[in-house]
Amino acid sequence: AQTVTQSQPEMSVQEAETVTLSCTYDTSESDYYLFWYKQPPSRQMILVIRQEAYKQQNATENRFSVNFQKAAKSFSLKISDSQLGDAAMYFCAYRGLTGANSKLTFGKGITLSVRP
Amino acid sequence: SQTIHQWPATLVQPVGSPLSLECTVEGTSNPNLYWYRQAAGRGLQLLFYSVGIGQISSEVPQNLSASRPQDRQFILSSKKLLLSDSGFYLCACLRDRWNEQFFGPGTRLTVL
Repeated sequence: AQTVTQSQPEMSVQEAETVTLSCTYDTSESDYYLFWYKQPPSRQMILVIRQEAYKQQNATENRFSVNFQKAAKSFSLKISDSQLGDAAMYFCAYRGLTGANSKLTFGKGITLSVRP
Repeated sequence: SQTIHQWPATLVQPVGSPLSLECTVEGTSNPNLYWYRQAAGRGLQLLFYSVGIGQISSEVPQNLSASRPQDRQFILSSKKLLLSDSGFYLCACLRDRWNEQFFGPGTRLTVL
């Protein structure tokens, strides 16, 4: 079974600085998808960024980028120029391609606070 | 674009009472649908998923059940709530174009 590990329960960053959130996963599949979701205090789950495992190029979305290391099964999220609105809980998630259910496996999440 | 509606937004129920949470999806047809539960300060646990009307798969044994009476309607139920059923319940659908799961606003359930 696939597992997703987020070992840091909390992190803090100064506004305008850069922060990196760590995530590792375990799978025997060769092709899959990885995601980072943001959950602000409203608790709405919002997709931040996604990465297809077959793509070597790291995904980027404005101030958000990932460092995808397939061999190491590592998928970290970098937030540049941190803003107060980035404060939230962040979840790393994995989805395999086998089977019809397209289930997501989530990590336990990390709470990010942004200091003004 | 797809929209997911969940109601109620919040619910407080006594132990032993029944439960019915509803999720409806707009802007897509024949979606894969999912129910997740999030305990306080924790990650999401998949409870049920459905690939079509009347097709329900359960991920974990529990006090809850799910039904899909219509293509874009997904219902989470219980005959008798337990204290451990408290949590935040999220409905999601698979957005094929982006191969991602798109979430509804959630229902906060407190069992007293």
